[in-house]
Amino acid sequence: NAGVTQTPKFQVLKTGQSMTLQCAQDMNHEYMSWYRQDPGMGLRLIHYSVGAGITDQGEVPNGYNVSRSTTEDFPLRLLSAAPSQTSVYFCASSYGGALGYTFGSGTRLTVV
Amino acid sequence: RKEVEQDPGPFNVPEGATVAFNCTYSNSASQSFFWYRQDCRKEPKLLMSVYSSGNEDGRFTAQLNRASQYISLLIRDSKLSDSATYLCVVYNFNKFYFGSGTKLNVKP
Repeated sequence: NAGVTQTPKFQVLKTGQSMTLQCAQDMNHEYMSWYRQDPGMGLRLIHYSVGAGITDQGEVPNGYNVSRSTTEDFPLRLLSAAPSQTSVYFCASSYGGALGYTFGSGTRLTVV
Repeated sequence: RKEVEQDPGPFNVPEGATVAFNCTYSNSASQSFFWYRQDCRKEPKLLMSVYSSGNEDGRFTAQLNRASQYISLLIRDSKLSDSATYLCVVYNFNKFYFGSGTKLNVKP
């Protein structure tokens, strides 16, 4: 099993560009989430999903969109990149709340 | 108020020492609790779940106090390889909330 796969691993964007961070899991997990991690801020929840077709906002959703058309995939779209979105982005998945999350290896995004 | 709060540390301890971390959570209805470990520039990895009765995994012991809304992690006989950031995690209402982490440095 590949687990949770995130692509790309590194990305540099110019202010105003849009892009999609990809996340896929092969464990048939219902729960999936996107977090960003900034120095000293810990992991902050951007968006989450409890199943295909169901998404909801987390703590810091502004500037990001998600969709969940299949159980396996949960892409995160940056609509118009800003320097404040420079961060490390982690995707995670789980069977449910009692089992904890499995994380992807992260995408390091720099917006210039 | 943050959902989960932790002392950021760092905790600097010698090899073989016992070290304890605590964290507090704000929502008394929280349902599940975990400790994660994160190495520098890596993704967080599940260390252990935390149960009300307390649980142990080798040198690691986790405790949950629902009345006081805090979670603890005890590491005995610290190893150099235990150096990392330890994240306290709380689950409620379909969301996992992460503390900012406590940094542990184990010195030879």
